[in-house]
Amino acid sequence: ELKVEQNPLFLSMQEGKNYTIYCNYSTTSDRLYWYRQDPGKSLESLFVLLSNGAVKQEGRLMASLDTKARLSTLHITAAVHDLSATYFCAVDGETSGSRLTFGEGTQLTVNP
Amino acid sequence: DVKVTQSSRYLVKRTGEKVFLECVQDMDHENMFWYRQDPGLGLRLIYFSYDVKMKEKGDIPEGYSVSREKKERFSLILESASTNQTSMYLCASSLLARDTQYFGPGTRLTVL
Repeated sequence: ELKVEQNPLFLSMQEGKNYTIYCNYSTTSDRLYWYRQDPGKSLESLFVLLSNGAVKQEGRLMASLDTKARLSTLHITAAVHDLSATYFCAVDGETSGSRLTFGEGTQLTVNP
Repeated sequence: DVKVTQSSRYLVKRTGEKVFLECVQDMDHENMFWYRQDPGLGLRLIYFSYDVKMKEKGDIPEGYSVSREKKERFSLILESASTNQTSMYLCASSLLARDTQYFGPGTRLTVL
């Protein structure tokens, strides 16, 4: 059974600081997704990482994937209040077809 | 842009009622999914469909059924609603297997 764990689950940080969210998963996968969810809203796709060593960046967010370590990171640079949201990673196991397994989510609050 | 719509944002039903949640996507996607989202548990897959009239159970199918009579529409049915089915329900679609999933706005269902 594929398990996906994120940490931390709650993150409160000040504007201007850097931080990293970690996503570990338990079985072989070559595809990992990051989503963002604002309060009361649905999930928005941020990144899809398709291979070992993949790195994607948009604005202050950068995601990377290490398939050998079964680890993805979402790095936040110089956080701003607008980044406050819940971030989910989701893993597509190689044998699971369309099925995604989601982590519990990391609730990020960026304080002025 | 992909658009996934859900029939209701908020729904209140009584225990034992039959409940229909509707999802429509406008991008000719092959795959459609129903998830429920609960605090601390992330998103859990209930059912998904990879073609018209085809369905597969997800991780928590008990108490639910689905229907996909047309490609663009995927319905989730609670045959006899119970209080433990109070949750946020999210529909998603993807073009092909292992493509990015696009989510609808969600239906917050309360069963009294």
